[in-house]
Amino acid sequence: EDQVTQSPEALRLQEGESSSLNCSYTVSGLRGLFWYRQDPGKGPEFLFTLYSAGEEKEKERLKATLTKKESFLHITAPKPEDSATYLCAVQVTGDRDDKIIFGKGTRLHILP
Amino acid sequence: DGGITQSPKYLFRKEGQNVTLSCEQNLNHDAMYWYRQDPGQGLRLIYYSQIVNDFQKGDIAEGYSVSREKKESFPLTVTSAQKNPTAFYLCASNYRVGRDTQYFGPGTRLTVL
Repeated sequence: EDQVTQSPEALRLQEGESSSLNCSYTVSGLRGLFWYRQDPGKGPEFLFTLYSAGEEKEKERLKATLTKKESFLHITAPKPEDSATYLCAVQVTGDRDDKIIFGKGTRLHILP
Repeated sequence: DGGITQSPKYLFRKEGQNVTLSCEQNLNHDAMYWYRQDPGQGLRLIYYSQIVNDFQKGDIAEGYSVSREKKESFPLTVTSAQKNPTAFYLCASNYRVGRDTQYFGPGTRLTVL
């Protein structure tokens, strides 16, 4: 069964304390991996798409990397405004249509 | 500005009532989706549509219905058959089902009283 697991479930960091969020997956036929940021009560905001192992994407303090089994979202010197839930999703081949499977997310809280 | 709009932002329903959630996009996307989000759970797919007048059930379609009469619009009806409808509902769209980045609307929070 295709599965996406994000860890940790929640993470509290001091402002400036760098860390990484993990998204591991066991799927057949990975076509792509997506990272989103979601603020409370709002829809997910797209951050990155990764398609192949070794690929990296960066945006401000965020950097996403991809291996054959997992993806990391590295946060460098975070600020309180980086506090949010970060969602990982994988795109896989389906019986009729390709499908996208979401992880449960990591709640990140940056303390000033 | 291109984007996805959902209305209303908050919706309250009495048990036994049907309610319809609106989703409109002006991104010229062909594919549209409805997800349900509950605390501590990942997004779960309710229905999706690749083209007008065609839609497919997702993982949790029971108690829900949709229509796709226009490319821009994909309303979701939560029927009285849905046993636990209180949740945050998200609409998304992209150019092709399962093939590229999905973009999300702001969501509708439905509460059953």
